[in-house]
Amino acid sequence: KNEVEQSPQNLTAQEGEFITINCSYSVGISALHWLQQHPGGGIVSLFMLSSGKKKHGRLIATINIQEKHSSLHITASHPRDSAVYICAVRDYGQNFVFGPGTRLSVLP
Amino acid sequence: DSGVTQTPKHLITATGQRVTLRCSPRSGDLSVYWYQQSLDQGLQFLIQYYNGEERAKGNILERFSAQQFPDLHSELNLSSLELGDSALYFCATGRGLGGEQYFGPGTRLTVT
Repeated sequence: KNEVEQSPQNLTAQEGEFITINCSYSVGISALHWLQQHPGGGIVSLFMLSSGKKKHGRLIATINIQEKHSSLHITASHPRDSAVYICAVRDYGQNFVFGPGTRLSVLP
Repeated sequence: DSGVTQTPKHLITATGQRVTLRCSPRSGDLSVYWYQQSLDQGLQFLIQYYNGEERAKGNILERFSAQQFPDLHSELNLSSLELGDSALYFCATGRGLGGEQYFGPGTRLTVT
């Protein structure tokens, strides 16, 4: 069993739809990161969470430490949101463990 | 543009060779992280430096080493290269020991 799992693996949505990507982890963590990797390969850090909820524009990230689960929500999705979304956790040993990523395609 | 620069963008070299990848942080960033992304293993954390000192170590091979210089730029040295070392190598930088990270554009290494 991987330490960090994501669902779904692939997601296709219509422009304007509300999207949720889930991340579950099995280790104790000091922080959880959501990353976005564009088709060209560049990586952008979207959020770093250790508790609660954060919002940035149309993106919302939540974390439930007790359930070892985080969600990334995209409201009013747009084709430019098409990318791979990666969940990463930092464990207490300061190591980062990455999920396999969720490939999102938003169709116009 | 994150403000983090990496050079070179692309590197093609032969097995057994040694290469050096360079990362220049944003102004004020003290932490540098190195990551490897290969097709079969995804993203992996290699190592973190903070203000010149090694602070965390991940899945970094003994053939690989890194350092952070007094001007805070960092270099990742890869030696005795194997075909399996072909990957994208990213650095990311940040203000503190933890916290937000800003990724560079990556260096694509091809070992032939």
